[in-house]
Amino acid sequence: AQTVTQSQPEMSVQEAETVTLSCTYDTSENNYYLFWYKQPPSRQMILVIRQEAYKQQNATENRFSVNFQKAAKSFSLKISDSQLGDTAMYFCAFMDYNTDKLIFGTGTRLQVFP
Amino acid sequence: GAVVSQHPSRVICKSGTSVKIECRSLDFQATTMFWYRQFPKQSLMLMATSNEGSKATYEQGVEKDKFLINHASLTLSTLTVTSAHPEDSSFYICSARHRVGDQPQHFGDGTRLSIL
Repeated sequence: AQTVTQSQPEMSVQEAETVTLSCTYDTSENNYYLFWYKQPPSRQMILVIRQEAYKQQNATENRFSVNFQKAAKSFSLKISDSQLGDTAMYFCAFMDYNTDKLIFGTGTRLQVFP
Repeated sequence: GAVVSQHPSRVICKSGTSVKIECRSLDFQATTMFWYRQFPKQSLMLMATSNEGSKATYEQGVEKDKFLINHASLTLSTLTVTSAHPEDSSFYICSARHRVGDQPQHFGDGTRLSIL
């Protein structure tokens, strides 16, 4: 069975600084997607970034980038120039092409301080 | 972008009541919708996968008679929590996609269910 592990329950960072959230996963599949979702206090699930496993190039979306290490099954999220609005729960998620189901990690609560 | 509307956003009701939650795709046809449950300070757990015109597929440990899912059209899926009890209090959230393999799934804003 696939699993997603987020080992950092809470993280904090000062505004304008950079923070990295870690995520590891376990699967025997070769084709899959990886995602980072943001869940602010409003509880809405917001897609931050996604990575297709067959792509070697790390995905980037403005201030958000990932470090995808397929062999190590690692998928960390780097947030640059952190902003107060980045304060939220961040969930790493895995989806393989066969099941089409999202499997979420336990989340990391990120607090951005002024 | 694709929009998924979930209604109601908040429900408070007495124990024993049945509660229906709607999930609508507003600007695309959702062949598949997913229902998740999230307890406070925990992650999202998939409850069931709902395909238009067929029976839902429930995850292990989810009571299908307790959580009735209907996906009667390409834009609407409903989750009915039957005879709800306080332990059913949770945050329920749906997501939808158009075709197999379409990513990402588009999430609704969730429903906070509180059973007194």
